[in-house]
Amino acid sequence: GQNIDQPTEMTATEGAIVQINCTYQTSGFNGLFWYQQHAGEAPTFLSYNVLDGLEEKGRFSSFLSRSKGYSYLLLKELQMKDSASYLCAVVDSNYQLIWGAGTKLIIKP
Amino acid sequence: DTEVTQTPKHLVMGMTNKKSLKCEQHMGHRAMYWYKQKAKKPPELMFVYSYEKLSINESVPSRFSPECPNSSLLNLHLHALQPEDSALYLCASSQNRDTNTGELFFGEGSRLTVL
Repeated sequence: GQNIDQPTEMTATEGAIVQINCTYQTSGFNGLFWYQQHAGEAPTFLSYNVLDGLEEKGRFSSFLSRSKGYSYLLLKELQMKDSASYLCAVVDSNYQLIWGAGTKLIIKP
Repeated sequence: DTEVTQTPKHLVMGMTNKKSLKCEQHMGHRAMYWYKQKAKKPPELMFVYSYEKLSINESVPSRFSPECPNSSLLNLHLHALQPEDSALYLCASSQNRDTNTGELFFGEGSRLTVL
């Protein structure tokens, strides 16, 4: 079966750094997305990785290791507005998006 | 214009009502999607339209009926729904059906409550 694992919830302090991990087992791999979703709102695109390595975009970076079936999202200089759910999603061999359950990130002052 | 617009934002309906959710995008995307999302759960794919033709129906009950009148519009017709169908319904679009060629752009969603 297809499976994507993320921690259910994480807590971090404003100004700090947090890493949200995602491990996956899917039928094929055609890329991995990270989305941010604030409560009651639609998901918004953060990053896309298809090759191994680190992609940096401002305060957010995303890493992929295809051999390990592993990705992480790194958030630096945390702000209160970063409190949201972070969804990992993998594109499988049929180009379908397989979604993780999401990680709720709580930022404390 | 990088927006996907959904209407209405909120909808309350009885189990005997017929209503429709609407979605529009003007990014020239050729794939459009309907997702259902329950609280604290990831989005669940319902339907995919590619070049205005239904390409995926994820075993969705017939009380949900999608329609794609043209490349910019996607509707979801609702009839005889159940209270457990209450959820956030998200419309999304991408350049084409192969999602590895570009991200999904989501609308803000339609919050549906079935009484």
